[in-house]
Amino acid sequence: SYELTQPPSVSVSPGQTARIPCSGDALSRQYAHWYQQKPGQAPVLVMYKDTERPSGIPERFSGSSSGTTVTLTISGVQAEDEADYYCQSTDSSHASVVFGGGTRLTVL
Amino acid sequence: QVQLVESGGGLVKPGGSLRLSCTASGFTFSDYYMSWIRQAPGKGLEWVSYISSGGVTIYYADSVKGRFIISRDNAKNSLYLQMNSLRGEDTAVYYCAREGGEGVGHGVDVWGQGTTVTVSS
Repeated sequence: SYELTQPPSVSVSPGQTARIPCSGDALSRQYAHWYQQKPGQAPVLVMYKDTERPSGIPERFSGSSSGTTVTLTISGVQAEDEADYYCQSTDSSHASVVFGGGTRLTVL
Repeated sequence: QVQLVESGGGLVKPGGSLRLSCTASGFTFSDYYMSWIRQAPGKGLEWVSYISSGGVTIYYADSVKGRFIISRDNAKNSLYLQMNSLRGEDTAVYYCAREGGEGVGHGVDVWGQGTTVTVSS
């Protein structure tokens, strides 16, 4: 079955740049989306179609794609950005939707 | 405002059944693909199923195929998940979710607050 791979954790100091990668074979052909989830809350879409930022999401959030890896970048990390981040995509036929295992971003 | 409200969660014994409902408001429900996504305690997100705007196209995760049935009633702005032959590994918060565009290639842009399903004897 199709899988997306994320590092379990990323740690940065406030004001630094956090980069969260997500890799998967189909990512060169399918878009990826990113969600932020804080404890006890539903996820929030922070990036869609690799690089598109939904309205209301701060400009410090950006996305990029290269081959089979997509990356969520948070520039000038703030304490409020501490959360779990999940990438999501589909298989080539859109018959299956998959999430990465999630990355816990810790702001030191 | 745009809102999804789930209901129907609860405690059920292994092998039992449960039906989840999701009521949408604030948007034209019949225009959107809808999904169910779950999250087991302390675990990550897991896609369960999605249904097209008209209800014709339906897909399931392998983990629930043959046991769960997704459906919708556009006249009632409602999404459903019939869960049969429930197992302990189905214990999770179940989220109702709106796909952001035509199909499932745009990301989920609206999430419900979730309803908790616990499968235990």
